Amino acid sequence: EDQVTQSPEALRLQEGESSSLNCSYTVSGLRGLFWYRQDPGKGPEFLFTLYSAGEEKEKERLKATLTKKESFLHITAPKPEDSATYLCAVQAANYGQNFVFGPGTRLSVLP
Amino acid sequence: ETGVTQTPRHLVMGMTNKKSLKCEQHLGHNAMYWYKQSAKKPLELMFVYNFKEQTENNSVPSRFSPECPNSSHLFLHLHTLQPEDSALYLCASSQEGLLGGIEAPLHFGNGTRLTVT
Repeated sequence: EDQVTQSPEALRLQEGESSSLNCSYTVSGLRGLFWYRQDPGKGPEFLFTLYSAGEEKEKERLKATLTKKESFLHITAPKPEDSATYLCAVQAANYGQNFVFGPGTRLSVLP
Repeated sequence: ETGVTQTPRHLVMGMTNKKSLKCEQHLGHNAMYWYKQSAKKPLELMFVYNFKEQTENNSVPSRFSPECPNSSHLFLHLHTLQPEDSALYLCASSQEGLLGGIEAPLHFGNGTRLTVT
């Protein structure tokens, strides 16, 4: 059965304390893995798309990487404004137009 | 207006009411989606429209009825809902590639928080 899981469920960091979030997937025919950020009361905001193993994308303090089984979202020297829920989603060959989302990681960055 | 806008932001309705959620995208995309986000659960796909034609119906109960009059507008008509239908309803759009398939990202609105009493 295809699955998308994320860990940890919640993460508390001190400002400046770098860490990584994990998204693991068991799908065949991956066509894209997507990272989103969601603030309370808002819709998910697109961050990155990764298409193939070995690919990396960076934006400010965030860096996303992809292997054949998982993706990491690395957060370097986070700031309180990075606090949000981070979602990953996959698009696969047998999904039609469905994006399958993971449950998310709730990140809190304390000043 | 830019991006994807949804109205209303909040909606409280009784189980016997009929209401509609509205979504409008200003991105020139050709695919629009309804997703449901419940507490402690991942986002669940409800419906997809491609070039105004419904292409996915993810086993959604008939008390939810979508309508897509054009590529920029999407509605979700609600009637005789149940309390378990209370959730955040998110609209999204994307640009499908010419070769088919969806690999471009979804762009979401801020959702309608629905409470069924």
